[in-house]
Amino acid sequence: AQSVTQPDIHITVSEGASLELRCNYSYGATPYLFWYVQSPGQGLQLLLKYFSGDTLVQGIKGFEAEFKRSQSSFNLRKPSVHWSDAAEYFCAVGEYGNKLVFGAGTILRVKS
Amino acid sequence: EAGVAQSPRYKIIEKRQSVAFWCNPISGHATLYWYQQILGQGPKLLIQFQNNGVVDDSQLPKDRFSAERLKGVDSTLKIQPAKLEDSAVYLCASSLGTRSSYNEQFFGPGTRLTVL
Repeated sequence: AQSVTQPDIHITVSEGASLELRCNYSYGATPYLFWYVQSPGQGLQLLLKYFSGDTLVQGIKGFEAEFKRSQSSFNLRKPSVHWSDAAEYFCAVGEYGNKLVFGAGTILRVKS
Repeated sequence: EAGVAQSPRYKIIEKRQSVAFWCNPISGHATLYWYQQILGQGPKLLIQFQNNGVVDDSQLPKDRFSAERLKGVDSTLKIQPAKLEDSAVYLCASSLGTRSSYNEQFFGPGTRLTVL
């Protein structure tokens, strides 16, 4: 069965510092990969997605992610974090039939 | 364009009571999903509808959970009777649902259920 692992439950970074959130997946075929962000009391918002092609994908709010097939990873990055980026981030893999399998999430705290 | 609407936003009930959640998807979206998000976990798919038919309900606890999508638009998710472990956020999502390519899912704000 497909699975997604986000090794870090919590991450704290200083405002202005760079950010990398890790995601590893288990999937037999070429995966569809997603990163979502969830602010308190809000639904999930899609940050970016990878279907095929260029392995470095750009998303909204200055985020990017790189697909590395050899490492089964899809890590999310941002060069300079803003206080408003504090939220929970979920990595997900798309299954046949338009289904999503989510990781457990990483809570990002931003300190000023 | 209006997003996915859900109500109520919060619900507190006692165990063994029943509860129902409502979802109105984005207009024109054929596929509707219900997810359960337990604190500290990622969302887990409970049921997926294509128009008014069930595509996947393999993870729905059918002894206590039920869902319907009459007329292929709005949907309700019901729990009867509720257990303590049902405390979670219930998310509704919708997508265009065409089979030609993967379609982005748009999520509602969720309903936070607390079972005492």
